[in-house]
Amino acid sequence: YVLTQPPSVSVAPGQTARVTCGGDSIGSKSVYWYQQRPGQAPVLVVYDDSDRPSGIPERFSGSNSGDTATLTIGRVEPGDEADYYCQVWDSSSEHPGVFGTGTKVTVL
Amino acid sequence: EVQLVESGGGLVKPGGSLRLSCAASGFNFNPYSMNWVRQAPGKGLEWVSSIDPSTHYIYYADSVKGRFTISRDNAKNSLYLLMNSLRAEDTAVYFCARLRQGIKGGYYFDYWGQGTLVTVSS
Repeated sequence: YVLTQPPSVSVAPGQTARVTCGGDSIGSKSVYWYQQRPGQAPVLVVYDDSDRPSGIPERFSGSNSGDTATLTIGRVEPGDEADYYCQVWDSSSEHPGVFGTGTKVTVL
Repeated sequence: EVQLVESGGGLVKPGGSLRLSCAASGFNFNPYSMNWVRQAPGKGLEWVSSIDPSTHYIYYADSVKGRFTISRDNAKNSLYLLMNSLRAEDTAVYFCARLRQGIKGGYYFDYWGQGTLVTVSS
């Protein structure tokens, strides 16, 4: 199973950033999103398509339908600049762990 | 506080072996599946391997199958990755991650270690 993300997204502070994650019928799967800053471990920012872990700002939201899942970051701040990865768990596969290709979000 | 601490990384020659360890604390280790995820320098995340609590269900990425072996010691709250026949393309930071099931049935990595660097070079 392959998940495809745009390599980069640029956004001005205070605007909205949208990161897409494309996969065959991804809408039928649960999608998870991670933020990774340079030199750090990934941090979960959205789980089960659209829920936020405690401590993650409401500015982070997710949606999932058809062949595309989307992470939306509202009112972008400089601290949101990072790499973002989508992930699914393909239980029918012998290789169930699947990450997207990753997107670098740059705050202009 | 949940903590995952990897160790065992280092420099190894092509064809060599290395054993990574992950020490877990702050939670009951036994009920959770555990995973290894790696990240080559400047590249994205790559899932490597998964092991369930009973060690009955073990999975590997195609890129490491037959060369890497995942294991765990529930009495020691520890996860391991034995890496044989190492190649230059195995050079990466290796993260230990806890697997959790979501409400909708999917699985995700809710806690990660800080990673240990493995460099395969002559």
